[in-house]
Amino acid sequence: EAAVTQSPRNKVAVTGGKVTLSCNQTNNHNNMYWYRQDTGHGLRLIHYSYGAGSTEKGDIPDGYKASRPSQENFSLILELATPSQTSVYFCASGDAHRGDEQYFGPGTRLTVL
Amino acid sequence: AQKVTQTQTSISVMEKTTVTMDCVYETRDSSYFLFWYKQTASGEIVFLIRQDSYKKENATEGHYSLNFQKPKSSIGLIITATQIEDSAVYFCAMREWGNTNKVVFGTGTRLQVLP
Repeated sequence: EAAVTQSPRNKVAVTGGKVTLSCNQTNNHNNMYWYRQDTGHGLRLIHYSYGAGSTEKGDIPDGYKASRPSQENFSLILELATPSQTSVYFCASGDAHRGDEQYFGPGTRLTVL
Repeated sequence: AQKVTQTQTSISVMEKTTVTMDCVYETRDSSYFLFWYKQTASGEIVFLIRQDSYKKENATEGHYSLNFQKPKSSIGLIITATQIEDSAVYFCAMREWGNTNKVVFGTGTRLQVLP
């Protein structure tokens, strides 16, 4: 049974529209992460969270917001989507007390037209 | 600032041989964690193995093992008896102990195992 799930798995959005990507984990991990993956860049950290109610900026936070309403859920919000945000987005959870090896969701492919 | 570098973009090996993938890292922290992940053709990313910086023994997990050379800031991934299913992209990553909970990834090495 998948421990980290993401929805939607695929999304087509229009420029200027609002997009919300959702992530749910059943690992009971404190830490959760949002990455984007683009060819030649590997995984780049957008936002992360230490626990419910907390969000922190990663390396490329511009144009993105995050929300962690509970231990299980972590959302990534694009208020005004742009074509440069077309990418594959991965959510992950990790246990900081055990070194924070991360467990990833299946990814969301976002296309902004 | 922490940084992880994988200089090998692509490697091809014959099935049942041993392959080593390189990774070097930069950190000012004396304690840190190093990880390797595998991304399959379907896009799935899976945690493989981890090395804690304070441990002198190289970590092993099944047919994966690490070559941890702390003075060289190097953590190589060794796959023995490679199988076709090992064909994937492999990412090295690091997390510093005391700074933040942020993990930094390398850009990945694509491994192709040939029959």
